[in-house]
Amino acid sequence: AQSVSQHNHHVILSEAASLELGCNYSYGGTVNLFWYVQYPGQHLQLLLKYFSGDPLVKGIKGFEAEFIKSKFSFNLRKPSVQWSDTAEYFCAVNPDNAGNMLTFGGGTRLMVKP
Amino acid sequence: GAVVSQHPSRVICKSGTSVKIECRSLDFQATTMFWYRQFPKKSLMLMATSNEGSKATYEQGVEKDKFLINHASLTLSTLTVTSAHPEDSSFYICSARPFREYIQYFGAGTRLSVL
Repeated sequence: AQSVSQHNHHVILSEAASLELGCNYSYGGTVNLFWYVQYPGQHLQLLLKYFSGDPLVKGIKGFEAEFIKSKFSFNLRKPSVQWSDTAEYFCAVNPDNAGNMLTFGGGTRLMVKP
Repeated sequence: GAVVSQHPSRVICKSGTSVKIECRSLDFQATTMFWYRQFPKKSLMLMATSNEGSKATYEQGVEKDKFLINHASLTLSTLTVTSAHPEDSSFYICSARPFREYIQYFGAGTRLSVL
């Protein structure tokens, strides 16, 4: 079965540190990839998405993610985090032949210390 | 961006009662809406996919008679938890997908507590 793994469950960083959150998926075919963020008390918001083309995708708030097909990975990065980036981050995968279905990773809770 | 409204945000009910949760797409028409359940410190688990005007498709292990889904219009889907029990206490989240888009837009979620 399709699965999505986020290996870091909790990450604590100081402001200005660089961030990389891992995401790996198990599906072998064509996929659409997403990162969502959930700020405390708020709903899930789309950070960025990859459908095709340039594997380095830039999203909102300075985030980017790189799709590496050979590694089945879609890691999220930010060069310098801010306290306001404290949130939970979810990677999600939609196999191209699975209609609308999204499979989510377990989430990574990021805490940025001021 | 597209806005999805979910109501209520929090509900507490007695065991055995039924609870209805509404999910509305406010500024777009959603041909497909999704219902998820999120357990504490866990990810979102898809419960069902609902398409306007047709029966919902439930994921394996989700009781369709317990979690009734109605998608009567292009902007509204409802989830009714029937005869709720304490084990149904959870955070329920809906999302909606505009026509011809692959992006899902999420509601703020409903925290259900069954006493």
